[in-house]
Amino acid sequence: AQTVTQSQPEMSVQEAETVTLSCTYDTSENNYYLFWYKQPPSRQMILVIRQEAYKQQNATENRFSVNFQKAAKSFSLKISDSQLGDTAMYFCAFMKQGGSEKLVFGKGMKLTVNP
Amino acid sequence: NAGVMQNPRHLVRRRGQEARLRCSPMKGHSHVYWYRQLPEEGLKFMVYLQKENIIDESGMPKERFSAEFPKEGPSILRIQQVVRGDSAAYFCASSPPGFLNTGELFFGEGSRLTVL
Repeated sequence: AQTVTQSQPEMSVQEAETVTLSCTYDTSENNYYLFWYKQPPSRQMILVIRQEAYKQQNATENRFSVNFQKAAKSFSLKISDSQLGDTAMYFCAFMKQGGSEKLVFGKGMKLTVNP
Repeated sequence: NAGVMQNPRHLVRRRGQEARLRCSPMKGHSHVYWYRQLPEEGLKFMVYLQKENIIDESGMPKERFSAEFPKEGPSILRIQQVVRGDSAAYFCASSPPGFLNTGELFFGEGSRLTVL
């Protein structure tokens, strides 16, 4: 069974700063996806970024980028130029490629961006 | 282009009553997933359905919970004889079929169930 661990329950950062959210996972699979989802106070789950395990290049989406270390089973999210709207819960998630496509989520981390 | 639609957004039930949560997937999506989020927790997988078929229900409690995705109409998550521990946010997600699937799930806004 796969597990996803987010060891930092809460972080705060000043607007415009850079922050890194950590995530580790455990799996015996070789083909899988990793995701970061954002859950603002509205509670809707919003996909931030996705990484395919077979790709060595780290995914980037505007101010969001990941540091994917497959051997270390680490998948951290870097948010550059933090904005007030980035305040949310952030969840790291794993999905085995093929099979029933179910996501395994970490417990989440609360990020607060202060003005 | 409507996203995943869930209703009701909020539902209050007394212990012993039944709760029915509905989910309409995105247009063109044939795969539906239900997840439950307890307070201060991440989402936990419950069930994965395609039209008229349950593909994976490994996350569903053995009793009182059932799910369906009929040929016509929304997917329904049904909880019979609710207890206080069922209070949670229930999220539905959908994805397109097979070759269109990039591994991304599209989530609805969730249904928050409160059991008094």
